[in-house]
Amino acid sequence: QVQLVESGGGVVQPGRSLRLSCAASEFLFSTFGMHWVRQAPGKRLEWVAYIRFDGSEKYYADSVKGRFTISRDNSKNTLYLQMNSLRAEDTAVYYCARDRITGTTRYFDYWGQGTLVTVSS
Amino acid sequence: EIVLTQSPGTLSLSPGERATLSCRASQSVSSSHLAWYQQKPGQAPRLLIYGASSRATGIPDRFSGSGSGTDFTLTISRLEPEDFAVYYCQHYGTSSWTFGQGTKVEIK
Repeated sequence: QVQLVESGGGVVQPGRSLRLSCAASEFLFSTFGMHWVRQAPGKRLEWVAYIRFDGSEKYYADSVKGRFTISRDNSKNTLYLQMNSLRAEDTAVYYCARDRITGTTRYFDYWGQGTLVTVSS
Repeated sequence: EIVLTQSPGTLSLSPGERATLSCRASQSVSSSHLAWYQQKPGQAPRLLIYGASSRATGIPDRFSGSGSGTDFTLTISRLEPEDFAVYYCQHYGTSSWTFGQGTKVEIK
């Protein structure tokens, strides 16, 4: 069974940095694109970033562009999100999710359980 | 950027009733790139429907998706107790993904 386990969340002061990790198992990680998605308390899901299976393409939501960096280490089956210059509005549960392409369709087929990031002084 | 608007915000129904959830896109989108997810409190989202109408693995056939262009629908034919949750539609565009604001299906 596909597993995605996030870690690295916590309480951080505004302006500081944090790095999230997502450990993948039970599938060939190096062949799938991956995403980070976040959800502020009581709010909708918000897509944050995407990375292609080989790391050659990365996309970001406008709200995090220039502050967050998505990366991966296929030798460690791990996805990362480096978050710099954190703001209060970045407070959310952060999920990693697997990108799936089937024919012409595209969707997120597996999600981790999430890690909470709280930005507060 | 395409905006997805879901309605209603909250749907109050009884077990056994039919639920019809709407997702409207701000401009015409490919149905291939429209998906639906279910989220229960304290849990991660779960994929229900992809390509607007294809059920994901393990999803009961009481869940169905339809639509094209700007209007998409998720239908739950007969609500089971475990179906009370929040439902999100999602669209994939060129290098970005967007979610609707969600519809909460609550027990009446």
